[in-house]
Amino acid sequence: QSVLTQPPSVSGAPGQRVTISCTGSSSNIGANYDVHWYQQLPGTAPKLLICGNNNRPSGVPDRFSGSKSGTSASLAITGLQAEDEADYYCQSYDSSLSGYVFGTGTKVTVL
Amino acid sequence: EVQLLESGGGLVQPGESLRLSCVVSGFTFSSNAMTMSWVRQAPGKGLEWVSTLSGTSGNTYYADSVKGRFTISRDNSKNTLYLQMNSLRAEDTAIYYCAKALGRYLNNWFDPWGQGTLVTVSS
Repeated sequence: QSVLTQPPSVSGAPGQRVTISCTGSSSNIGANYDVHWYQQLPGTAPKLLICGNNNRPSGVPDRFSGSKSGTSASLAITGLQAEDEADYYCQSYDSSLSGYVFGTGTKVTVL
Repeated sequence: EVQLLESGGGLVQPGESLRLSCVVSGFTFSSNAMTMSWVRQAPGKGLEWVSTLSGTSGNTYYADSVKGRFTISRDNSKNTLYLQMNSLRAEDTAIYYCAKALGRYLNNWFDPWGQGTLVTVSS
């Protein structure tokens, strides 16, 4: 059972903005460990989307942005496109578990 | 271009062992800064971190669910990362991905990832 909680699903029409929350605790996000985000298209390996809370690797569209506050983090997708339909995971470190942890995952559906 | 290619997955019975390999190409695997990890994903489920091998210290780290049963190692001469899995259980059934770990200690992120290899533990 993951210690980082995400909504199971979010949806939006093309062009809209959606956000995905990642709720942690004082032993992970709240302990000031960085949060990273991954996109997993159906049948493929995860791909890094955001690192270090709000940094986009080269090649990731600027429609994707990350933020962090307190014990939570968020991923925002603006100008939603059909190709954004995928599963999204947050990731951080947990000092109580002494290991890296992933969020429960969120499926984004483009209506 | 950096590429990771896993192999070694398959069908095994509970209690048996399996060794996964991850061949690395496109960057200097033998670099002391090369920290590598394994992450798994059970069928239809989310991602679970399994293990990390520090490129600087050589220290190894494991999730509690595999500690004492799995061993991560590397062979720089073969540009290969390994995961030795012993005493396998049904709950170890998953796609196993290898990934390069970047960033500061305890703030690692994983990039890139291999395509994964499927391990099925069933009688």
